[in-house]
Amino acid sequence: GDSVTQTEGLVTLTKGLPVMLNCTYQTTYSPFLFWYVQHLNEAPKLLLKSSTDNKRTEHQGFYATLHKSSSSFHLQKSSVQLSDSALYFCALKGYNQGKLIFGQGTKLSIKP
Amino acid sequence: NAGVIQTPRHKVTGKGQEATLWCEPISGHSAVFWYRQTIVQGLEFLTYFRNQAPIDDSGMPKERFSAQMPNQSHSTLKIQSTQPQDSAVYLCASSLDESEQYFGPGTRLTVL
Repeated sequence: GDSVTQTEGLVTLTKGLPVMLNCTYQTTYSPFLFWYVQHLNEAPKLLLKSSTDNKRTEHQGFYATLHKSSSSFHLQKSSVQLSDSALYFCALKGYNQGKLIFGQGTKLSIKP
Repeated sequence: NAGVIQTPRHKVTGKGQEATLWCEPISGHSAVFWYRQTIVQGLEFLTYFRNQAPIDDSGMPKERFSAQMPNQSHSTLKIQSTQPQDSAVYLCASSLDESEQYFGPGTRLTVL
């Protein structure tokens, strides 16, 4: 069945450094990938989405590129801020499927 | 736009009691999704409706859980005979065209 893998459970970084959160997926459908961010005690909010192969998508300083050849959709930012501390989920929606399949999530903790 | 509204925000039940969780989707959105979030399992899909009709309930536990959408303005998730393992944050999301899902703040259910 469809699945999403996020390899890092916790990433701790100092403010101003770059970050990459890994996301790989498995599906037999044409994939639609999402990154959601969830701050403490808040709802998950959509950060990025893509269904186009090899096209970079950006929002609020974060960016990701869907690579169908490697089944990956890694999230990156060039300089993290304290406010980026949150839980980040990668999610997959197969073509003509409504539900989202989520990875386990990566907690990003930024230190001053 | 008030966003997705979920009530109550917190609910505490005793083992064996019933719990009903409410979701009001964003006005005009035709799809409503229910997810469950725990530390161990992460974010899991439960069920979803499109234009009030049940479409996919593949994530619903076969016993004790049921969901309804009696009108376009609200959906309910009912858990009968609650058990401690049902303790979780239950998230509702709505979507205009199923390409993006907007999440509510969730209901934190605690079963004692």
